[in-house]
Amino acid sequence: DGGITQSPKYLFRKEGQNVTLSCEQNLNHDAMYWYRQDPGQGLRLIYYSQIVNDFQKGDIAEGYSVSREKKESFPLTVTSAQKNPTAFYLCASSIRAETQYFGPGTRLLVL
Amino acid sequence: SQKIEQNSEALNIQEGKTATLTCNYTNYSPAYLQWYRQDPGRGPVFLLLIRENEKEKRKERLKVTFDTTLKQSLFHITASQPADSATYLCALALNAGNNRKLIWGLGTSLAVNP
Repeated sequence: DGGITQSPKYLFRKEGQNVTLSCEQNLNHDAMYWYRQDPGQGLRLIYYSQIVNDFQKGDIAEGYSVSREKKESFPLTVTSAQKNPTAFYLCASSIRAETQYFGPGTRLLVL
Repeated sequence: SQKIEQNSEALNIQEGKTATLTCNYTNYSPAYLQWYRQDPGRGPVFLLLIRENEKEKRKERLKVTFDTTLKQSLFHITASQPADSATYLCALALNAGNNRKLIWGLGTSLAVNP
């Protein structure tokens, strides 16, 4: 069963804490992306990776970090430097940045 | 400035009618345009892609048009059903070096009433 999985579905962050969102794909796609979605705003690109061991900042990378050690995995860490982390986070993958396939999302809430 | 706009107000239509959603953009020269469907609390799902040299694309009850002169795409759902109720997003693909970048609209909420 091919696709993208994200975990957890809901994540709670305490003040000053770093949290990591998981994203795994078995579609054999080279490119992977992290987006943030807030009410009243379109999808905003946080980071993307076109190949293993390489990634680029998107439009709103501050307060976030990523790694791409394996083709299948692209975890996102929301650091304590991100002052407004409450949002719906979406991971996607694609071939050559055309059609993007999205995971089910992780909703991050601040305690 | 560069903008991509979709109908901001929700669209309510009766079952069986045709739903038409618009996507307008300014100051972009997109390589292609895509439409996605998003249900509440879920990730977007790809529906259709139309390239700059194509005028129209169809897939079952869906039809997309792309007018690069008007800088507009129209998305039609014919014989609409309550199950079509969702938010529909358009995304422009721009050339960015050796890669492409997607610019997303805010989406239009569609409600199909039985």
